[in-house]
Amino acid sequence: AQSVTQLDSQVPVFEEAPVELRCNYSSSVSVYLFWYVQYPNQGLQLLLKYLSGSTLVKGINGFEAEFNKSQTSFHLRKPSVHISDTAEYFCAVSGSGGSNYKLTFGKGTLLTVNP
Amino acid sequence: DSGVTQTPKHLITATGQRVTLRCSPRSGDLSVYWYQQSLDQGLQFLIQYYNGEERAKGNILERFSAQQFPDLHSELNLSSLELGDSALYFCASSVADRVSEQYFGPGTRLTVT
Repeated sequence: AQSVTQLDSQVPVFEEAPVELRCNYSSSVSVYLFWYVQYPNQGLQLLLKYLSGSTLVKGINGFEAEFNKSQTSFHLRKPSVHISDTAEYFCAVSGSGGSNYKLTFGKGTLLTVNP
Repeated sequence: DSGVTQTPKHLITATGQRVTLRCSPRSGDLSVYWYQQSLDQGLQFLIQYYNGEERAKGNILERFSAQQFPDLHSELNLSSLELGDSALYFCASSVADRVSEQYFGPGTRLTVT
């Protein structure tokens, strides 16, 4: 079984500032990791994913995340945020083997970008 | 637009009633997943179907059931509804059963009064 902890429920930042949204996971097996974004009254959109290979993954809208196996973390970063990045961000994990590929989500981090 | 469609967008019903939520996966995707998003529980996996067969079960109540039809659309049936069933229900799809990259629909917001 897997679990995900998103350490901050809310992160307020000013426009053009850098941001990091933290995610730690727990798993007894190898994992795949994901970040999804949910804009108000919308579904979840895949931002980026780590399946294998390079630990630094780049996603849409200028976001990137780094997989750190020793620290079991997958933090999301953006060097300069825009007002339009205001949304809820979810970190998710799934096993990379076996027969169950369901996603286990964290509680979410609400990113609010202020002018 | 992810290509996953869900109907209806909103549903308001009374306790004790039964509702059906519908999902059409992206073209070519064989696997459908259902998730429930509520304020207290967050996003929780309910059930997965692959090419018409149940593949995995999560925290799905016995009052809830799902199926996937030959045209690959899926329905989630919720019965004997309780106030606590009020939530956003998302459907997601992926190309196969052993692929974690899932694409989400816009969701159905269920309100039980």
